[in-house]
Amino acid sequence: DAGVIQSPRHEVTEMGQEVTLRCKPISGHDYLFWYRQTMMRGLELLIYFNNNVPIDDSGMPEDRFSAKMPNASFSTLKIQPSEPRDSAVYFCASSLTGGTLAGTEAFFGQGTRLTVV
Amino acid sequence: AQRVTQPEKLLSVFKGAPVELKCNYSYSGSPELFWYVQYSRQRLQLLLRHISRESIKGFTADLNKGETSFHLKKPFAQEEDSAMYYCALTASGGSYIPTFGRGTSLIVHP
Repeated sequence: DAGVIQSPRHEVTEMGQEVTLRCKPISGHDYLFWYRQTMMRGLELLIYFNNNVPIDDSGMPEDRFSAKMPNASFSTLKIQPSEPRDSAVYFCASSLTGGTLAGTEAFFGQGTRLTVV
Repeated sequence: AQRVTQPEKLLSVFKGAPVELKCNYSYSGSPELFWYVQYSRQRLQLLLRHISRESIKGFTADLNKGETSFHLKKPFAQEEDSAMYYCALTASGGSYIPTFGRGTSLIVHP
């Protein structure tokens, strides 16, 4: 497995434009997480899915942010309209749970570096 | 609620010096603790987990339930250890959602 795959790796967009970030989790993983990484706040959990169902989106900063997971192998994080303060690195991660005794490791993608100008 | 605190944003040491990255947590149940590392412009990856009691790249971490700490230690730092380190907690037997600290940037000077 190639691991968690995110696209694009870099995105530069103008304020007000719609941005869509994509994630392909590791096959068979039942949890998917979206995190935002900034210098000021570190790693913040935005939303997570369990078996494709959104469970907790309390970390989503505003209504401008939305996330979907139409199937087990694909998820999107959308920002509409984008603002300069949304500039950050966005990570997707997935994990396999249930019955493991060794601790539940989260596997991260390479991240998408978003710059809104 | 679960919470992870990493009090130091930046730790700067010289090669060969001992390193200790601090992590404290709050959680009422039985936690699972992890250290993740992020090298420059790379993805976060698991470094070690308390349940495995392992030493990875010379790093160790012991869970101290009395002090609610999970500090990461290495006796002799190497330049290649320079990275961002995140402490994380998962609630054992319940929610598998990892909560991360804000991270500590370790810089090892030659």
